[in-house]
Amino acid sequence: GNSVTQMEGPVTLSEEAFLTINCTYTATGYPSLFWYVQYPGEGLQLLLKATKADDKGSNKGFEATYRKETTSFHLEKGSVQVSDSAVYFCALRDLGPNSGGSNYKLTFGKGTLLTMNP
Amino acid sequence: ETGVTQSPTHLIKTRGQQVTLRCSSQSGHNTVSWYQQALGQGPQFIFQYYREEENGRGNFPPRFSGLQFPNYSSELNVNALELDDSALYLCASSIDRMDGYTFGSGTRLTVV
Repeated sequence: GNSVTQMEGPVTLSEEAFLTINCTYTATGYPSLFWYVQYPGEGLQLLLKATKADDKGSNKGFEATYRKETTSFHLEKGSVQVSDSAVYFCALRDLGPNSGGSNYKLTFGKGTLLTMNP
Repeated sequence: ETGVTQSPTHLIKTRGQQVTLRCSSQSGHNTVSWYQQALGQGPQFIFQYYREEENGRGNFPPRFSGLQFPNYSSELNVNALELDDSALYLCASSIDRMDGYTFGSGTRLTVV
């Protein structure tokens, strides 16, 4: 079945540091890949997405490139801010023929908490 | 756009009881999905409704059921509540199954 593995947190950084959150996936078909962000007490917000190999998703200074050869979709940001403190989820949506009848569901990783040094 | 609204925001129920959670989707969104997010975990897919019909289901028992209404609202019903049902329940809607999803803020259910 489909699965998403992302680096465990928490990730603690100083303001303006470089951020990388690793994400790898296993899928039976041709997935679309997503990063969602969850701020404390809130639901999920779509941060960026990529629908095919070599696509780069970007938003609010965050970027991730769909790497089919390494089955990865790592999230990066060049200079994090205090306001970026949140939990980040990598997810896939597999639209392939063997996706088990729930073609449009999202499969999420366990999430990575980003906190900032005071 | 009014976003996706879920109610109630918090709920405490006793083991064995039944609960109904509600979601109001954006106008025109004919697809709604429900997810369960246990503490410290990623959301798990419960099921999806497309044009008022169940369109897919995750690994959840039949005591989890749902409805979608023509006015873009939906319900998640859980019977015979168990302690492990304590979680944040998220509703997500989209214009179509292929589109991106907009998530609500969730309902925090605690079963005691």
